[in-house]
Amino acid sequence: RKEVEQDPGPFNVPEGATVAFNCTYSNSASQSFFWYRQDCRKEPKLLMSVYSSGNEDGRFTAQLNRASQYISLLIRDSKLSDSATYLCVVNLLGMLTFGGGTRLMVKP
Amino acid sequence: DTAVSQTPKYLVTQMGNDKSIKCEQNLGHDTMYWYKQDSKKFLKIMFSYNNKELIINETVPNRFSPKSPDKAHLNLHINSLELGDSAVYFCASSHRLAGGRGELFFGEGSRLTVL
Repeated sequence: RKEVEQDPGPFNVPEGATVAFNCTYSNSASQSFFWYRQDCRKEPKLLMSVYSSGNEDGRFTAQLNRASQYISLLIRDSKLSDSATYLCVVNLLGMLTFGGGTRLMVKP
Repeated sequence: DTAVSQTPKYLVTQMGNDKSIKCEQNLGHDTMYWYKQDSKKFLKIMFSYNNKELIINETVPNRFSPKSPDKAHLNLHINSLELGDSAVYFCASSHRLAGGRGELFFGEGSRLTVL
């Protein structure tokens, strides 16, 4: 079992749609969680942290379920510029493990 | 001003050659990393290094070696290149404790093609 698993997609959605990505992680001792965004042929960049109580940053909402070892990212009112690969990231003892990413394509 | 810079951005070479990729960060971070992103887009850590310790991912062949002349630089040297080494190699940096806050700053990547 991979340490961090994501559906690779692609998720093809129209502008304005709401889309959700899920991620599961295997090590219950994992300490903190993040979503990164990677544009095509670019480097990954931190999108947001994921807190146990859930957190929101504009159109983006992240949630964590430690019991199920499950993380989610919800994007509301999708924009063309949201098209990218979204990487779920898990921290264990200061080492970050990346999921394979979920590719999102937002169409006009 | 580029925060984390890698050179070269593209590298095409023959099997069996030895090559190096250089990385420099001007963020004042004390920890640097090398990640490998393969054709399936999985980003896997190879090394984590600060001025006190080197942490090696045990799956990394010993043909790969990090070299750090100072805390702002972490170069990657690869001996006897193999076809399977073809990938994009990303350098990254963070404050030591920022690993826990998840903020890694990545370079733009170096795309290595082994023929």
